[in-house]
Amino acid sequence: EDQVTQSPEALRLQEGESSSLNCSYTVSGLRGLFWYRQDPGKGPEFLFTLYSAGEEKEKERLKATLTKKESFLHITAPKPEDSATYLCAVQAGNDMRFGAGTRLTVKP
Amino acid sequence: NAGVTQTPKFRVLKTGQSMTLLCAQDMNHEYMYWYRQDPGMGLRLIHYSVGEGTTAKGEVPDGYNVSRLKKQNFLLGLESAAPSQTSVYFCASSYSGHEGTEAFFGQGTRLTVV
Repeated sequence: EDQVTQSPEALRLQEGESSSLNCSYTVSGLRGLFWYRQDPGKGPEFLFTLYSAGEEKEKERLKATLTKKESFLHITAPKPEDSATYLCAVQAGNDMRFGAGTRLTVKP
Repeated sequence: NAGVTQTPKFRVLKTGQSMTLLCAQDMNHEYMYWYRQDPGMGLRLIHYSVGEGTTAKGEVPDGYNVSRLKKQNFLLGLESAAPSQTSVYFCASSYSGHEGTEAFFGQGTRLTVV
């Protein structure tokens, strides 16, 4: 059965303190791995899609990487506005399965 | 361009009542999904559809039914609501294709069953 596990559950950083979020997965026939950002009271907002091991994508202070078993979301010099829940999802068949998310808090 | 619109945004039901949640998308997407989100459990897939007239079960389908009579609409029904169905419900849609494509989400429906 497809599984997606995110760690840590929560992460508190000081502004400017870089770190990484982890998403480990077990699926057969990965069609895509996705990262989303979710702010309180809102729906998830798309960040990145990764398709194959070794692929990397960047957007502002965020960089996503992919291996055969896990993905990392690296946050460089975060700002308070980066505070949100970050969700990882995988698509193997026609459905999309999510991890439980990492709740990131960045303190000024 | 509205994207994905969910109706209603909030609802309180009594145990045993029925209701239908409506999801509408204007992006001509083939795939549509219904998720529920509970604290600490992330998004769990209820049902999904890969095209007009099709539906399939997700991870937690029990107690829910769906219909996709028109390509742009995906309805989620609760025939006899239970307190365990108190949750925030999200609808999403995406293009089809061999490679996975990102999903676009609605703003959510907060449902409370008392």
